[in-house]
Amino acid sequence: GGIITQTPKFLIGQEGQKLTLKCQQNFNHDTMYWYRQDSGKGLRLIYYSITENDLQKGDLSEGYDASREKKSSFSLTVTSAQKNEMAVFLCASSLDWGDQNTLYFGAGTRLSVL
Amino acid sequence: AQSVDQPDAHVTLSEGASLELRCSYSYSAAPYLFWYVQYPGQSLQFLLKYITGDTVVKGTKGFEAEFRKSNSSFNLKKSPAHWSDSAKYFCALEGRGQGGSAKLIFGEGTKLTVSS
Repeated sequence: GGIITQTPKFLIGQEGQKLTLKCQQNFNHDTMYWYRQDSGKGLRLIYYSITENDLQKGDLSEGYDASREKKSSFSLTVTSAQKNEMAVFLCASSLDWGDQNTLYFGAGTRLSVL
Repeated sequence: AQSVDQPDAHVTLSEGASLELRCSYSYSAAPYLFWYVQYPGQSLQFLLKYITGDTVVKGTKGFEAEFRKSNSSFNLKKSPAHWSDSAKYFCALEGRGQGGSAKLIFGEGTKLTVSS
């Protein structure tokens, strides 16, 4: 088995601040994802990456940057935190970018912006 | 268009009852459909998926789901329900992103409460 590790678990930022969330996986999976989960809403895809150094925009990419410099890691940057923003950011991975793959999720990073 | 709808934000039932969580989808091609579960304080876990073939698929923890093409639904079922099934359940559709790569599109989730 493998594991997805997200750091930090909790992130408190200031309005306008640039914030970086990190994700590591040891499944040796090709594809990694960043989702945002807001209270009462579903998961919305921010960015995904089908292989090292690849980036694909999801439905919610505006206001975010991502980086996949190694196969095992995928970082997400909030370019300018919005006041009173609260959400959970979930990292996930899957075997490859083909069809039918099961996603494996990390425990999440909870963001609060003061 | 590619979307998933879970019309019930909350479902409450008693332990021992049968549970059925509703999911409908919109997709122009043959769908690949998934159910994930999120227990309190935990992240999402895979329950089951429908790819092709038998329209009733069985997953982990005693759950099963029925794919109905006629009304574009993929409802999750379990009987009897147990208090430990209390969680948030997400239905997902495998859609297409930029360049044709697969991506999962999630519904808003149904929070299930099973009282003992």
